[in-house]
Amino acid sequence: DAGVIQSPRHEVTEMGQEVTLRCKPISGHDYLFWYRQTMMRGLELLIYFNNNVPIDDSGMPEDRFSAKMPNASFSTLKIQPSEPRDSAVYFCASSFPTSTINEQFFGPGTRLTVL
Amino acid sequence: GQQLNQSPQSMFIQEGEDVSMNCTSSSIFNTWLWYKQDPGEGPVLLIALYKAGELTSNGRLTAQFGITRKDSFLNISASIPSDVGIYFCAGQIPGNTPLVFGKGTRLSVIA
Repeated sequence: DAGVIQSPRHEVTEMGQEVTLRCKPISGHDYLFWYRQTMMRGLELLIYFNNNVPIDDSGMPEDRFSAKMPNASFSTLKIQPSEPRDSAVYFCASSFPTSTINEQFFGPGTRLTVL
Repeated sequence: GQQLNQSPQSMFIQEGEDVSMNCTSSSIFNTWLWYKQDPGEGPVLLIALYKAGELTSNGRLTAQFGITRKDSFLNISASIPSDVGIYFCAGQIPGNTPLVFGKGTRLSVIA
C-alpha cells in the first residue's frame, strides 16, 4: 500500500488567500484525522472523520477552517482566509481500529507558510 | 482534555549510549503507542502496547505499558546517529476515542 498521501508537500501563500490541503487515506481505513503541528503547541488534533462523517471538530481553531470528506479515499482541509499564524505543518492520518488495535498512520505532511 | 506528560523534552547523547524516555498521564489508558518523527516527515509508528505490564521490543527499542495503565517508557539501546528525531508517545483512553499525543522528546546523537 502507498500509505497516506498528502498534497501539496509545501505551500507558500499570502495572507488572505484560500488554502486547500488534500489527503488520501490508506485504502480500507475508516477513520481519518487532521492534525496541526507547531513548535509551540506540538501535535493538535483538528478534526476527525469516521466513514466519511465528521465526528469531532472541536479542535478546529475557528470558522476560517473547514474540512470535508466526500468519499472514503479523499479529504480536504481548507483555510479561508489564511493568516500568518496558520503557518504550521498539517498532517493527515488514517486508521482502522478494532476492539484491540488502534494504530494511526500518518502522511508526510504539508508545510504551510502564510506570508 | 486529556494530556500526556512526556519527558525529557530533549536529550543530547553520545553515540552508543542507551536512552530512556517516558510518558505519564492522570488518566488510565488502554493503548500506548510510540512514534518517531524524522525531520520533514510524518510520525512513524515504532511500537504499540495493548496490555498493562506488556513489554515489547523492536530491534534496539523496548517499550513497556505501565501496570497502573497511566504510564509508559521507551528505551533505545546503543544509540546510533539515525536515531535522531522526535519521539512521541500516544495513548487512548477506554472507548473508541482519538489518540492523545505527548509533546515529544527531541533526541540528538553526537557521533
